Amino acid sequence: EGQLVESGGGLVQPGRSLKLSCAASGFTFDNYAMHWVRQVPGKGLEWVSGISWNSDSIEYASSVKGRFTISRDSAKNSLYLQMNSLRTEDTALYYCAKDISGLFFQYMDVWGKGTTVIVSS
Amino acid sequence: EIVLTQSPATLSLSPGERATLSCRASQSVSNYLGWYQQKPGQAPRLLIYDASNRATGIPARFSGSGSGTDFTLTISSLESEDFAVYYCQQRSTWPAFGGGTRVEI
Repeated sequence: EGQLVESGGGLVQPGRSLKLSCAASGFTFDNYAMHWVRQVPGKGLEWVSGISWNSDSIEYASSVKGRFTISRDSAKNSLYLQMNSLRTEDTALYYCAKDISGLFFQYMDVWGKGTTVIVSS
Repeated sequence: EIVLTQSPATLSLSPGERATLSCRASQSVSNYLGWYQQKPGQAPRLLIYDASNRATGIPARFSGSGSGTDFTLTISSLESEDFAVYYCQQRSTWPAFGGGTRVEI
């Protein structure tokens, strides 16, 4: 079924940067689109960004567009999220998730446990 | 931007009862709607995709229906492990989630 393990979260000051990583195993990483989804504790899910299998299709939520950059490395079976100009409202648990499709963004059938990002001075 | 509205916010039921959860889209999403279950301290789990298709390993007591703007997730007979928060998600445009429905005992 596959496994995803996120890392890179932590405490960061507003305006600074942070890069999240997600290591994938147990499935053919190159065949699937991937996503970042975040969740403020006690609140709902917010899709952040998605990337197709070949990186040709990339999309962002309006709340992060221009500040966050998603990327993937097939040699390392890894997904990344570069987060710049962080704001307090970016504080959340960030999940990495695998899409059921390769090219189009559909649904997410494998999820990691998440990594926590806290933006505070 | 397509907005998904879930109702009710909280559903209080007993084991063995039937649960009916609603998700309404602000504009048509065809049948491009899925449902997830999330338990405390866990990541979401995909239950239903494209309105009515159960994901791998999902019990038959979970069923989905609807098209266009109105969708329903039905749990035919609640088991103790089904008490959780449920989210709908559309894929008509980029992915977006509804606000969730908590099913509590």
